[in-house]
Amino acid sequence: DQQVKQNSPSLSVQEGRISILNCDYTNSMFDYFLWYKKYPAEGPTFLISISSIKDKNEDGRFTVFLNKSAKHLSLHIVPSQPGDSAVYFCAASLYTGNQFYFGTGTSLTVIP
Amino acid sequence: EPEVTQTPSHQVTQMGQEVILRCVPISNHLYFYWYRQILGQKVEFLVSFYNNEISEKSEIFDDQFSVERPDGSNFTLKIRSTKLEDSAMYFCASSPGEGASTDTQYFGPGTRLTVL
Repeated sequence: DQQVKQNSPSLSVQEGRISILNCDYTNSMFDYFLWYKKYPAEGPTFLISISSIKDKNEDGRFTVFLNKSAKHLSLHIVPSQPGDSAVYFCAASLYTGNQFYFGTGTSLTVIP
Repeated sequence: EPEVTQTPSHQVTQMGQEVILRCVPISNHLYFYWYRQILGQKVEFLVSFYNNEISEKSEIFDDQFSVERPDGSNFTLKIRSTKLEDSAMYFCASSPGEGASTDTQYFGPGTRLTVL
């Protein structure tokens, strides 16, 4: 049951450049999407979210884009910093409940 | 900044033993959750809890699992008879309860459960 997919297990980016992390989903009933960041031995930390009524949400260096017709969302980090190196999970929830469905994560490495 | 805390950070137990994982959610939050992450796999939802009862649970959350809010601050996950496949990182989360589907969940650091 892979309702939320992150097809790239890893990504390496040079410091200062843009990092783009992608996420696809299959359930059109998802109406809230989030990105979490996770360091080893820590819990997921909330980063940014977007409601299905929007197609873009921005918070500082982080922007999330939602393409509902393609069932795709992406996280852009500009400029990337070495401290951004972590595993990034996208998550989604249905309007009928509060369970989060997580993707498998993408490990981002920002090279100084 | 308020945060979710979990104890212990690592629990080792023998197969068949009961374990209780403890969480202290953020104090004014109304919804509480347990998730788990088996090594190398995705984070999976177990259960959500609101107003002193389970509001949602997954297929993983079978009769071996139970949750309780024994007092005003703690939220616990009990596994009655642990199996080897219960070895995982268990995350507790809480959310303010502003709206079911748009409630951001805040996660604790996790308890690593190892079943031998």
